[in-house]
Amino acid sequence: EIVLTQSPGTLSLSPGERATLSCRASQSINRNLLAWYQQKPGQAPRLLIHGASSRATGIPDRFSGGGSGADFTLTISRLEPEDFAVYYCQQYGSSPRTFGQGAKVEIK
Amino acid sequence: QVQVQESGPGLVKPSETLSLTCTVSGGSINSYHWSWIRQPPGKGLEWIGSLFSGGSAFQKPSLKSRVNMSVDTSKNQFSLRLNSVTAADTAVYYCATDGGGYSLYWGQGTLVTVSS
Repeated sequence: EIVLTQSPGTLSLSPGERATLSCRASQSINRNLLAWYQQKPGQAPRLLIHGASSRATGIPDRFSGGGSGADFTLTISRLEPEDFAVYYCQQYGSSPRTFGQGAKVEIK
Repeated sequence: QVQVQESGPGLVKPSETLSLTCTVSGGSINSYHWSWIRQPPGKGLEWIGSLFSGGSAFQKPSLKSRVNMSVDTSKNQFSLRLNSVTAADTAVYYCATDGGGYSLYWGQGTLVTVSS
């Protein structure tokens, strides 16, 4: 089972700042099949990125995904108030699919 | 746009079976593959398993012996049964589409508490 470790656990930033979240896998992810989700309290996760770097439909271009192999990043170029949330990475290159433990972006 | 709604008992006794249904609207259930994902209170997401439109199913190995998933195309529903539940199975359970591994459409989730 591939273990995904997200860092930092919590990122304290101000609106307008850049956020960079890391997702490191315990082994290389097949075909870079990695997704990112955003989750707000009391809501279901929302797909942001799939295939490591492809934005889902309707996702603003301030969200970008990058990386390959075992190291991936999610970047939010300029934080908007609605971007403060918890973010999860998920690999689906091998079974079982696994999620990272989550990373919280909070208002500083 | 596809809409997904989970339903089922909010309270299940230990050792009993958790049964949830996911009702799909705005599209045919046959047009998608489906997954169940859960989230214990205050914790992260855990993939339970996926059922593909061709009938093949994949489950998390540690849950495989207790999980059964099925589709009722006549009702446009996707179901989960989890046997022999314990307190560790207390979670919000989500039904979601499976687009080759990632999930685009999610239900709002339903909290299931395992307690006597």
